[in-house]
Amino acid sequence: DGGITQSPKYLFRKEGQNVTLSCEQNLNHDAMYWYRQDPGQGLRLIYYSQIVNDFQKGDIAEGYSVSREKKESFPLTVTSAQKNPTAFYLCASTGPTGGLYGYTFGSGTRLTVV
Amino acid sequence: EDKVVQSPLSLVVHEGDTVTLNCSYEVTNFRSLLWYKQEKKAPTFLFMLTSSGIEKKSGRLSSILDKKELSSILNITATQTGDSAIYLCAVGGAQKLVFGQGTRLTINP
Repeated sequence: DGGITQSPKYLFRKEGQNVTLSCEQNLNHDAMYWYRQDPGQGLRLIYYSQIVNDFQKGDIAEGYSVSREKKESFPLTVTSAQKNPTAFYLCASTGPTGGLYGYTFGSGTRLTVV
Repeated sequence: EDKVVQSPLSLVVHEGDTVTLNCSYEVTNFRSLLWYKQEKKAPTFLFMLTSSGIEKKSGRLSSILDKKELSSILNITATQTGDSAIYLCAVGGAQKLVFGQGTRLTINP
């Protein structure tokens, strides 16, 4: 079945550590997105990529980095520069119509700083 | 800056009540407005509204887009405990979706 796989489901990070969240899709979608969700809040865009080897900052990119070396993969690194990384992270993708018909979402990664 | 605002942020009602959730937007190059339901993990798609499809209905849920007022409502009639969730409104602009803060709906038995 086609879909988006995010791993791990739960991740614990110590202060000062970098961690990488994985996002893989087998939908042959061109565009991929990373969102952050804090309790009681909506989704805020971190980074997005519309083609391989290209990506753009979203509204809250500071403290995060991404790469898009393959169409199927869009990993997100939460760096030590991100002061408050505890949140729920969602990866999404969409086909050639862009966001017009909505996204396919992964099941999310919950990151906690310990 | 593109903006989507939902209200109320939180709503608690009794089973069987009817609820109306609101979404207003300011987005350049509007293409579509989408409603999602999020229970525990990934949001699941409910409706998509565009200029050519301003009203949608599925069972007890319905939604209307008002392009003049730049807003949309999501109605749920005869609510059930399974309707408890966060409801997200998102607006499709030029390249990406912009999400509102979400409305947390709690249905008490």
